[in-house]
Amino acid sequence: NAGVTQTPKFQVLKTGQSMTLQCAQDMNHEYMSWYRQDPGMGLRLIHYSVGAGITDQGEVPNGYNVSRSTTEDFPLRLLSAAPSQTSVYFCASSRSSGGYTFGSGTRLTVV
Amino acid sequence: GNSVTQMEGPVTLSEEAFLTINCTYTATGYPSLFWYVQYPGEGLQLLLKATKADDKGSNKGFEATYRKETTSFHLEKGSVQVSDSAVYFCALNPGAGSYQLTFGKGTKLSVIP
Repeated sequence: NAGVTQTPKFQVLKTGQSMTLQCAQDMNHEYMSWYRQDPGMGLRLIHYSVGAGITDQGEVPNGYNVSRSTTEDFPLRLLSAAPSQTSVYFCASSRSSGGYTFGSGTRLTVV
Repeated sequence: GNSVTQMEGPVTLSEEAFLTINCTYTATGYPSLFWYVQYPGEGLQLLLKATKADDKGSNKGFEATYRKETTSFHLEKGSVQVSDSAVYFCALNPGAGSYQLTFGKGTKLSVIP
């Protein structure tokens, strides 16, 4: 099925480790974004991209890097994991204004 | 800047009760408005949308009307079911070619038999 695929679904990291959360979409959407969801905080935008080779920071970018080498893929890198990065991460894509398609999420725990 | 304010939850209703979740917004220009639903353990799904004033979005028995005069987009359903238990998010896109959505904090709905 067409959509946004996120991997892994669950991950446990030790403080200081690095890892990459994968996000891929097969709908030829130009816009992709990463959110984190924490209890009582709603969704907060981490980074976004309006096309291959173009990325920008959202509301909470510190501690995260992104790149967009292809239209399909938008990986999120945690450089040195901290307990404050324990969260559920969602990737979303869109072709036009509004109408986001979300992935099913990655639940990350940093111990 | 743009902002969305939703009623705080959680909201607990009995099956077949009437549901209203309030949503108001602040935006310049002519935003589009959305409701998303998140079922337990899943990502967000688009529930309905409205792109201009007085438009009514509807899906799965849910409705919301874009009221520019009151800057509101309240979600309603006449008779809720246990399967409607989820978190509901109101969101806006400011228009003018922008891709970005501004979300409310979400309202958790629990429907009991």
